[in-house]
Amino acid sequence: EPEVTQTPSHQVTQMGQEVILRCVPISNHLYFYWYRQILGQKVEFLVSFYNNEISEKSEIFDDQFSVERPDGSNFTLKIRSTKLEDSAMYFCASTKQGTDTEAFFGQGTRLTVV
Amino acid sequence: KQEVTQIPAALSVPEGENLVLNCSFTDSAIYNLQWFRQDPGKGLTSLLLIQSSQREQTSGRLNASLDKSSGRSTLYIAASQPGDSATYLCAGTYNQGGKLIFGQGTELSVKP
Repeated sequence: EPEVTQTPSHQVTQMGQEVILRCVPISNHLYFYWYRQILGQKVEFLVSFYNNEISEKSEIFDDQFSVERPDGSNFTLKIRSTKLEDSAMYFCASTKQGTDTEAFFGQGTRLTVV
Repeated sequence: KQEVTQIPAALSVPEGENLVLNCSFTDSAIYNLQWFRQDPGKGLTSLLLIQSSQREQTSGRLNASLDKSSGRSTLYIAASQPGDSATYLCAGTYNQGGKLIFGQGTELSVKP
């Protein structure tokens, strides 16, 4: 069964460092998303990406964040200068056609900023 | 502001019991509602998607309903098993882009 894969599963980084989280969405899906979940809190939307551009982003997704689809399969989230409060589980998701279709999530990357 | 709420935050039931998990949303202009399961430290597994034109969906022992007028969705689990123990999340979409707005989840524990 097709699935969304994320790497790495866990990343520890020092405050101020850049991190890149990687995702391979389901191959015939057209919409891609990043969400995050701070420990004990709700899953929060960060950004959606369609047709090689950002279609929507949240207030959390400031200039420190960027997304890219560098090739036909990978979808990345970059945090330029990490802060302690960026520590969270980051989830990638994809859908075939945006709304009205099921969203599939990866297993997540646990980011710990020290 | 569009918000999704799940009450209770935690629920414990004996094995074999039928149960209902609740989800409420503030804006009735919802496109669809999706239920997920999350095991500790893991990703989100999609259980059921109810589109706005539908009133319910079924998969095995799971049945989810959507009532837009009352702003509520329920997830019914029949004959619960210890393996059903997990956190159950509901999430709604309100635009074409498919952005999901999540509730805080209900942590279910099914005791043998």
